[in-house]
Amino acid sequence: GENVEQHPSTLSVQEGDSAVIKCTYSDSASNYFPWYKQELGKRPQLIIDIRSNVGEKKDQRIAVTLNKTAKHFSLHITETQPEDSAVYFCAAGDYKLSFGAGTTVTVRA
Amino acid sequence: GAVVSQHPSRVICKSGTSVKIECRSLDFQATTMFWYRQFPKKSLMLMATSNEGSKATYEQGVEKDKFLINHASLTLSTLTVTSAHPEDSSFYICSKISNTEAFFGQGTRLTVV
Repeated sequence: GENVEQHPSTLSVQEGDSAVIKCTYSDSASNYFPWYKQELGKRPQLIIDIRSNVGEKKDQRIAVTLNKTAKHFSLHITETQPEDSAVYFCAAGDYKLSFGAGTTVTVRA
Repeated sequence: GAVVSQHPSRVICKSGTSVKIECRSLDFQATTMFWYRQFPKKSLMLMATSNEGSKATYEQGVEKDKFLINHASLTLSTLTVTSAHPEDSSFYICSKISNTEAFFGQGTRLTVV
């Protein structure tokens, strides 16, 4: 099955700085790579996703890059704000998703 | 977007009792739903894939007799934690896939005392 590794496990950044989270996956058949944001006690919410036929996607302050050859993808958050503080999960798969271990992001005001 | 409703959001039960968690697809029929378990500050671990009209597919290490899944209709999947013990205390969350995007229920915080 698919194995997704995510780093770092925790990330503390100053407000206004950028945050980068990296994930690797093992199954070359995976073609869908979403990123979720989860606040404490709440359900994960999709923030951005990318499919295997695209190398980069951007939505305002959030961007995701995908390198299918190396089997890794990354989330980039620019101009971080305190409300960006949450746990972020990457995932990989097709109709069935495997999740990374999560990254706790803390944005310091 | 696709809506998934999960109930209850919180439940406290006594050790040895069973708890049923419901997951409903509100906007369209879902032949497949997924059940996850999440420990505090940990990732979502897939427990099983719920298939309408057939048996659920369980992930390795998940006890099918303890976590009973029923997907009797195209809009409802249920997870029953049987003979619950304190170590079953966790956050359980369901999801369905729409156009490969996963939509999650609100989650159920189960506490077994």
